[in-house]
Amino acid sequence: DGGITQSPKYLFRKEGQNVTLSCEQNLNHDAMYWYRQDPGQGLRLIYYSQIVNDFQKGDIAEGYSVSREKKESFPLTVTSAQKNPTAFYLCASRISGTGTFEQYFGPGTRLTVT
Amino acid sequence: EDQVTQSPEALRLQEGESSSLNCSYTVSGLRGLFWYRQDPGKGPEFLFTLYSAGEEKEKERLKATLTKKESFLHITAPKPEDSATYLCAVQDNNDMRFGAGTRLTVKP
Repeated sequence: DGGITQSPKYLFRKEGQNVTLSCEQNLNHDAMYWYRQDPGQGLRLIYYSQIVNDFQKGDIAEGYSVSREKKESFPLTVTSAQKNPTAFYLCASRISGTGTFEQYFGPGTRLTVT
Repeated sequence: EDQVTQSPEALRLQEGESSSLNCSYTVSGLRGLFWYRQDPGKGPEFLFTLYSAGEEKEKERLKATLTKKESFLHITAPKPEDSATYLCAVQDNNDMRFGAGTRLTVKP
């Protein structure tokens, strides 16, 4: 069964702690994305990666870091430098080089920092 | 800068009461317009891609249309299970931009 998995579903952290969100896909997609969703706002792009060992900053990359060591995996670290980390985080992926751009999303991780 | 605006923010319908959701956009070089459905606490589910003005796509009670400036998601005879937030997104030469969504509630 192909798809995108994110874990954990809920995550609670104290202020000042770094936390890593997991994203794995078995769709054989080349590109992967991290978005943040806040109430009343559209999804905002944090980071994206089009190939292994390469990634680019999105619109709101400050306070976040990523790695792409494997095609299937694109973990996101929320660092203590992120001022408002509490949000719903969504990972997405898409195939590249076909002329189609639809992204497919995982189930999301809700992060609460107190 | 590319912009995607969805209206209304929220829509309440009675079961069977057809209506439309709007997505207006400004983008240089549209590569595709996308509709997603998002249930509370879950990731968006892909519904449609539209590529050019005049194109239409249908799925069950949903029909998406596209003009040069906006897209409509028509919902015919909705059922309570159609209640969700519907997201619109546009892809230009570089990025995908999302609207804030329309929260649809269908009452039985």
